[in-house]
Amino acid sequence: QKEVEQNSGPLSVPEGAIASLNCTYSDRGSQSFFWYRQYSGKSPELIMFIYSNGDKEDGRFTAQLNKASQYVSLLIRDSQPSDSATYLCASRPSGSARQLTFGSGTQLTVLP
Amino acid sequence: GAGVSQSPSNKVTEKGKDVELRCDPISGHTALYWYRQSLGQGLEFLIYFQGNSAPDKSGLPSDRFSAERTGGSVSTLTIQRTQQEDSAVYLCASSLGNPDTQYFGPGTRLTVL
Repeated sequence: QKEVEQNSGPLSVPEGAIASLNCTYSDRGSQSFFWYRQYSGKSPELIMFIYSNGDKEDGRFTAQLNKASQYVSLLIRDSQPSDSATYLCASRPSGSARQLTFGSGTQLTVLP
Repeated sequence: GAGVSQSPSNKVTEKGKDVELRCDPISGHTALYWYRQSLGQGLEFLIYFQGNSAPDKSGLPSDRFSAERTGGSVSTLTIQRTQQEDSAVYLCASSLGNPDTQYFGPGTRLTVL
């Protein structure tokens, strides 16, 4: 079982809709969770991180964390074609680890 | 300010050759990470440096892989006797102190023929 799992997609949504991206993790001790966006041929860029159960909003993006169910999600409101990219979910394992464990990513396409 | 830089951007080599990949982190960042990303896959952790501490090498896939960080700044990842399965994009990231804010470089695309 992979430590961080994502639906690889592709996920297609129309412009203006809400895109919902989901991720589950296996290390119950993980404390920090991240969403990165990666455009084709580019490096990942951090969108949001979340530590606590519940929702965290930043502009059009909302990260949701449910530690009991071990899932993290990212909602993108008013999706734009420029949001089309691969979205990587990551966790930082428990203990003193500093490196991130990544899922394989979900490819999102926002249709104009 | 300048971000993380990596060189070369692309490297094509023959099976069995050694390669060196370079990472120049953001100035002042004490932590440096190497990851690799195979086609269509997520990032796989390789090695982590923090200041003058011993590096965390737990992600290196074999003893053909090694890395060093000179003067707490530039890092070089060396792959000896390259194999075709080493073909991937090698990404470097750095962070200031908080490991939860890692900034990635553009990567080096390695192709082993």
